[in-house]
Amino acid sequence: NAGVTQTPKFRVLKTGQSMTLLCAQDMNHEYMYWYRQDPGMGLRLIHYSVGEGTTAKGEVPDGYNVSRLKKQNFLLGLESAAPSQTSVYFCASRTRTRGNIQYFGAGTRLSVL
Amino acid sequence: KNEVEQSPQNLTAQEGEFITINCSYSVGISALHWLQQHPGGGIVSLFMLSSGKKKHGRLIATINIQEKHSSLHITASHPRDSAVYICAVRKTGTASKLTFGTGTRLQVTL
Repeated sequence: NAGVTQTPKFRVLKTGQSMTLLCAQDMNHEYMYWYRQDPGMGLRLIHYSVGEGTTAKGEVPDGYNVSRLKKQNFLLGLESAAPSQTSVYFCASRTRTRGNIQYFGAGTRLSVL
Repeated sequence: KNEVEQSPQNLTAQEGEFITINCSYSVGISALHWLQQHPGGGIVSLFMLSSGKKKHGRLIATINIQEKHSSLHITASHPRDSAVYICAVRKTGTASKLTFGTGTRLQVTL
């Protein structure tokens, strides 16, 4: 079991470039989440999904899009990267059972110049 | 004001000391989580509480629902406990989502 795998681990973009972050989980979890972590702030929810084919906005969704075409994958897209999107991005997943803990990926460090 | 507040923000302790990290929240919750973020960045869940107390090894977590407060205790601290400890709550009516505190950075020295 790999758990939750994020790719890539590091990326540097120029302003205006696009990219997709991939999150893959092999635990058959229904729920998946994308967070960003910035200095001095708690983890903030960008988008989440409660099942294949469904997505919902979180606390800070602007500038990001997501897709959940397969249950095991949750993609986070930046269509036109901005320096304000420089952050560490974490993916997490959990089962549908109420209250179950979230399992996190190792994170993706993104710099937008 | 953040809905989840942790104190202290930074904590340095010597090996063997008893450590307490506090979490206060201002909203109704159905559960509270404690997580650990390693120096390398990885995040793991330590506890989920809805009442009372839980213990795992040298870690103890307590929650007082009436006072809207939780504590994470580490007994006989060790340098390998050095990490950021994060409190998160599941607000009432938001079954799918967590609200996170900003974390407490703990360094345990020899």
